[in-house]
Amino acid sequence: GAGVSQSPRYKVAKRGQDVALRCDPISGHVSLFWYQQALGQGPEFLTYFQNEAQLDKSGLPSDRFFAERPEGSVSTLKIQRTQQEDSAVYLCASSPLNVGTMSGELFFGEGSRLTVL
Amino acid sequence: KNQVEQSPQSLIILEGKNCTLQCNYTVSPFSNLRWYKQDTGRGPVSLTIMTFSENTKSNGRYTATLDADTKQSSLHITASQLSDSASYICVVSARRNGGYNKLIFGAGTRLAVHP
Repeated sequence: GAGVSQSPRYKVAKRGQDVALRCDPISGHVSLFWYQQALGQGPEFLTYFQNEAQLDKSGLPSDRFFAERPEGSVSTLKIQRTQQEDSAVYLCASSPLNVGTMSGELFFGEGSRLTVL
Repeated sequence: KNQVEQSPQSLIILEGKNCTLQCNYTVSPFSNLRWYKQDTGRGPVSLTIMTFSENTKSNGRYTATLDADTKQSSLHITASQLSDSASYICVVSARRNGGYNKLIFGAGTRLAVHP
């Protein structure tokens, strides 16, 4: 596709429900990031993939958060037993560059806005 | 701790006026600094990327400066337009040996341009 695509754009979940957020990066992009953005704040790092390898998951806030990128392209962020504090915009970003340098461009999707009631 | 602080938190200016947004960081070792524009409900879009050796870079009406000694950057917007209304986020990359460069995001400055 022309850009990073995320779905769904909006998701309302009842507390305790599991949700899955999808990211389609730009074709051929090696690096993929997930970020969490609370209202009025900058994005906070969640996890990083280089191809299918999850090289950094230090930003995942709890073991209820799980991300995968099994074939090195599409990625899914799963949140189990959602809590109200999980309400945020989840941004996905991809880059054509390999690990070791991030001087290159990082392309963001439009985000998935999650509201947990 | 690696941090990026932006000021002001929010700003209102009249169309056609200039403005300057500030970014101070404590990230070390420094790799590069980026400014992003984020429209409401959209993902961030890159405006500029600056490395250690660059102290100014322009992108149309946007000019970013970097002082790596004082660890400060600014984004100057000239002849503002209504479409400049957005959040402007400063992002600093920390260089890591043997690994990818981690990006540290500021909270952003919310700019509103009024007619």
